[in-house]
Amino acid sequence: GAGVSQSPSNKVTEKGKDVELRCDPISGHTALYWYRQSLGQGLEFLIYFQGNSAPDKSGLPSDRFSAERTGGSVSTLTIQRTQQEDSAVYLCASSSRARNEQFFGPGTRLTVL
Amino acid sequence: AQRVTQPEKLLSVFKGAPVELKCNYSYSGSPELFWYVQYSRQRLQLLLRHISRESIKGFTADLNKGETSFHLKKPFAQEEDSAMYYCALSHSGGYQKVTFGTGTKLQVIP
Repeated sequence: GAGVSQSPSNKVTEKGKDVELRCDPISGHTALYWYRQSLGQGLEFLIYFQGNSAPDKSGLPSDRFSAERTGGSVSTLTIQRTQQEDSAVYLCASSSRARNEQFFGPGTRLTVL
Repeated sequence: AQRVTQPEKLLSVFKGAPVELKCNYSYSGSPELFWYVQYSRQRLQLLLRHISRESIKGFTADLNKGETSFHLKKPFAQEEDSAMYYCALSHSGGYQKVTFGTGTKLQVIP
């Protein structure tokens, strides 16, 4: 079956614009995670979904960031009024109830000019 | 709160030399530990998990509860081992958020 997919693969936007990033998890995976990977930095946790609810949003950097998940499947991460420091690769991962192994998508590279 | 520490951002070793990537954790319960790897231009992927007690690509990792460590080791480094390595922790037996360390970049010098 298909792995985790993310779209777009690359996004270039102007400072102040809103962007929406999409993640399609592996079918049947109920847990979904968003991370941010900045140049020279490690993996920064953003938010975790269990089904459609988000038990842990502690990693969202500011109120400009929000995420939702519908139907226990697709998730969107929205960044409003983007800033240059938002430039990074945004990674999505999903995992099943049976195993804690996370399967990662290819990421969306966001560049804010 | 669960926390994972990888003290080295960059580790450079010569081909054929032993490798040890350090990972320490803090967690009050019974953790499940993982190592993930990201090769250049590839997705982040699971390398190994402590409950499997397996060796993958020559790498092993032993969970030391006394020292709260889960160091990744390989006796002889190969050029293809050059990658970014992340240690991660989750509550075992459950279905909880996984916490990642900040990663160590391994550079194997030919």
